[in-house]
Amino acid sequence: QLQLQESGPGLVKPSETLSLTCTVSGGSISSVSYYWGWIRQSPGKGLEWIGTIYYSGSTYYNPSLKSRVTISVDTSKNRFSLNLSSVTAADTAVYYCARQTKGMTVAGSYFDYWGQGSQVTVSS
Amino acid sequence: QSVLTQPPSVSGAPGQRVTISCTGSSSNIGAAYDVHWYQHLPGKAPKLLIYTNSNRPSGVPDRFSGSKSGTSASLAITGLQAEDEADYYCQSYDSSLSGWVFGGGTKLTVL
Repeated sequence: QLQLQESGPGLVKPSETLSLTCTVSGGSISSVSYYWGWIRQSPGKGLEWIGTIYYSGSTYYNPSLKSRVTISVDTSKNRFSLNLSSVTAADTAVYYCARQTKGMTVAGSYFDYWGQGSQVTVSS
Repeated sequence: QSVLTQPPSVSGAPGQRVTISCTGSSSNIGAAYDVHWYQHLPGKAPKLLIYTNSNRPSGVPDRFSGSKSGTSASLAITGLQAEDEADYYCQSYDSSLSGWVFGGGTKLTVL
């Protein structure tokens, strides 16, 4: 059974960089059929897609966050990571990593396995 | 403000049928991009409920069904149960944003 687990600091200071890692077990991150994504949910708000990476390193970012987001993959450790720079209180959220399965096209992909989520609070 | 619009809340009595709409535009649902649905319980990871408009993953009861037409999609839940009380999200792709988008979410209350 595929499992994803987020890890990283739960508290980040304003203006600093939020860093999270998602470790994948029970399957290979290098599979050609899947992409790997980050999604967040701010308090009282809905789900927001942050970005997606393919095992080759190709990335897709939410335009509203693109200038601050970097997603990378480490196939040797079967994990991928999120860096979000210059954080503010508005970045306080539960951050989820998820597997993204291609539909007929990459655009048609959906998130079928999710991590449990990692609460990140931005505060001094 | 999401590009996919969902009603903030819906409700129904046990055993009843409810539907949740997801309205998009010509750059997402109307452009024939597929729609997927998720169930999100507080404190839990979102769960894929419907993929590619109308397909159920293994283990999802057939009480849940999805459909798509034009610039909109719908999730229907029949035989409502107390355990169905959760937030529901639609998701698609938007060509104007060049990325994946979620609806704002709908809170289902079982009366």
